[in-house]
Amino acid sequence: KAGVTQTPRYLIKTRGQQVTLSCSPISGHRSVSWYQQTPGQGLQFLFEYFSETQRNKGNFPGRFSGRQFSNSRSEMNVSTLELGDSALYLCASSLPAGAITGELFFGEGSRLTVL
Amino acid sequence: GENVEQHPSTLSVQEGDSAVIKCTYSDSASNYFPWYKQELGKRPQLIIDIRSNVGEKKDQRIAVTLNKTAKHFSLHITETQPEDSAVYFCAASKGGQNFVFGPGTRLSVLP
Repeated sequence: KAGVTQTPRYLIKTRGQQVTLSCSPISGHRSVSWYQQTPGQGLQFLFEYFSETQRNKGNFPGRFSGRQFSNSRSEMNVSTLELGDSALYLCASSLPAGAITGELFFGEGSRLTVL
Repeated sequence: GENVEQHPSTLSVQEGDSAVIKCTYSDSASNYFPWYKQELGKRPQLIIDIRSNVGEKKDQRIAVTLNKTAKHFSLHITETQPEDSAVYFCAASKGGQNFVFGPGTRLSVLP
């Protein structure tokens, strides 16, 4: 079974630009969540999608947005990039439905550098 | 909201010794506590988890204990090996896939 796939793996942008990151979950997984990982802040929750609906949202500004498609693939978008947005963005998928919490399967991440 | 603290931030042990990492959480509604291991340049992977209706769980050399009253949980690794060297993250969740992670512990197992 293929794992969680994230594209692109690496990207460099300049301040003010926007970026779109993509995530394909494990087949059969319907929940997709996004995390930002930085050396100083660790892993911080961005948002979670289930059945194309945003179910939870972390404490990030509105420049960070996401969506999920009917095939469970997800994208996140960051507009008006700032230097502080440089980070590894991790996507994770999981199997359980509803409120049951289960294992997160992480992708390799998309490393974003903002110059 | 939930806040998860983790100690120590770095830990060095001799191969064969035990390692203990401790986490505290603030929200008594949290009911699921996983531990993830992230090797250098790799993705985080679940190594063990515990739910609030259980006090202890063990899987070979790894064990997790939970004290709901004190709101803390710990990871115990016995007979450490060089391949245990990694960053370990604890996390807490009260439902869904919204996890609050601790800041991580960098474990170094010295030969």
